[in-house]
Amino acid sequence: EAQVTQNPRYLITVTGKKLTVTCSQNMNHEYMSWYRQDPGLGLRQIYYSMNVEVTDKGDVPEGYKVSRKEKRNFPLILESPSPNQTSLYFCASSLLGGPAEQYFGPGTRLTVT
Amino acid sequence: GQQLNQSPQSMFIQEGEDVSMNCTSSSIFNTWLWYKQEPGEGPVLLIALYKAGELTSNGRLTAQFGITRKDSFLNISASIPSDVGIYFCAGLNTNAGKSTFGDGTTLTVKP
Repeated sequence: EAQVTQNPRYLITVTGKKLTVTCSQNMNHEYMSWYRQDPGLGLRQIYYSMNVEVTDKGDVPEGYKVSRKEKRNFPLILESPSPNQTSLYFCASSLLGGPAEQYFGPGTRLTVT
Repeated sequence: GQQLNQSPQSMFIQEGEDVSMNCTSSSIFNTWLWYKQEPGEGPVLLIALYKAGELTSNGRLTAQFGITRKDSFLNISASIPSDVGIYFCAGLNTNAGKSTFGDGTTLTVKP
């Protein structure tokens, strides 16, 4: 089954404790992206990757890192999480060269205390 | 960054009614997308629009790419309870990497 998977689905952590949220897609998509969703603010793009070893900042990249060493994986790293990073995070991927028709993962709900 | 204004923010309608929502932008896009998100899940693509003036249907859903390339509209005809969810528009320029989403329209359908 074609899908985007994220792990973990739920995470509660403390301020400053490094964490990684994994994202994997099995559709051989070139494009992958991370978003955060907060009430009333829609989806805001954190980082995106047009292909392996190519990453770029979205609209809200502060406090996040990403890497794209393999086509199928695009982990999101929070080196020192803070409470304002409490949010619902989505990974997405796209077949085309750019971000059209993205397929989204199920989401990761992160709480930073 | 680019901003999209999506309206209305929420809608409470009776089953069988038609629904209209729209997105406007200060920037030009060459692609408009409409997504639906149900509770506990990620957004799912409903309709993709690639050409100014394009009108595309998907069942009871119809979306249009505005002539100015700065807006898009989504209509749902004869709503049913399973239409409940949050509808998002997204504007983007293909091969440019960035996607801009509206804040969403929350739809509630009363049986």
